[in-house]
Amino acid sequence: ELKVEQNPLFLSMQEGKNYTIYCNYSTTSDRLYWYRQDPGKSLESLFVLLSNGAVKQEGRLMASLDTKARLSTLHITAAVHDLSATYFCAVDIRGFGNEKLTFGTGTRLTIIP
Amino acid sequence: EAQVTQNPRYLITVTGKKLTVTCSQNMNHEYMSWYRQDPGLGLRQIYYSMNVEVTDKGDVPEGYKVSRKEKRNFPLILESPSPNQTSLYFCASKRTGIYGYTFGSGTRLTVV
Repeated sequence: ELKVEQNPLFLSMQEGKNYTIYCNYSTTSDRLYWYRQDPGKSLESLFVLLSNGAVKQEGRLMASLDTKARLSTLHITAAVHDLSATYFCAVDIRGFGNEKLTFGTGTRLTIIP
Repeated sequence: EAQVTQNPRYLITVTGKKLTVTCSQNMNHEYMSWYRQDPGLGLRQIYYSMNVEVTDKGDVPEGYKVSRKEKRNFPLILESPSPNQTSLYFCASKRTGIYGYTFGSGTRLTVV
């Protein structure tokens, strides 16, 4: 059974600081997704990482994927208050059939002014 | 605008009273799925559908039914809701293959 673990679960950081959220998964997969969720809202797609060594950046967020280590990271650079949200990584298993996303439990990020 | 539309957004109901949460997508996606989100448990898949008339159970299907009579619609049916089905529900769709998922805006269900 595929397990996806994120850490930390909660992260409080000051504006202007850098930090990294980690996502480990237990089964071979080459498709990893990062989502953002604001309280009471839907999931907003941030990144789709499709191959080993993939790196994507959007503004102050950068995501990377190491399929050999089964690890993805979401790096936040010079955090601003607007980035406060819960961040989820999710993995789907290679192959056909149920293209189910297995989610991590999320990282609740709070940026303190 | 390409989107997944869920209705209602909020619903409070009583134990045992049948209800349906609708989900509709306008992107001609083959794949649709329902998830529930609970604190500390993340999102878990309830049911999915690979195409019209093709549905199957996800990880937590007990107490739920679905149907896929048309490609665009994938309703979630609770025949006899119970308080442990109080949750935030999301519908999602995607094209088959290496494509991203589009999520609906969610339905917050409370069963008393």
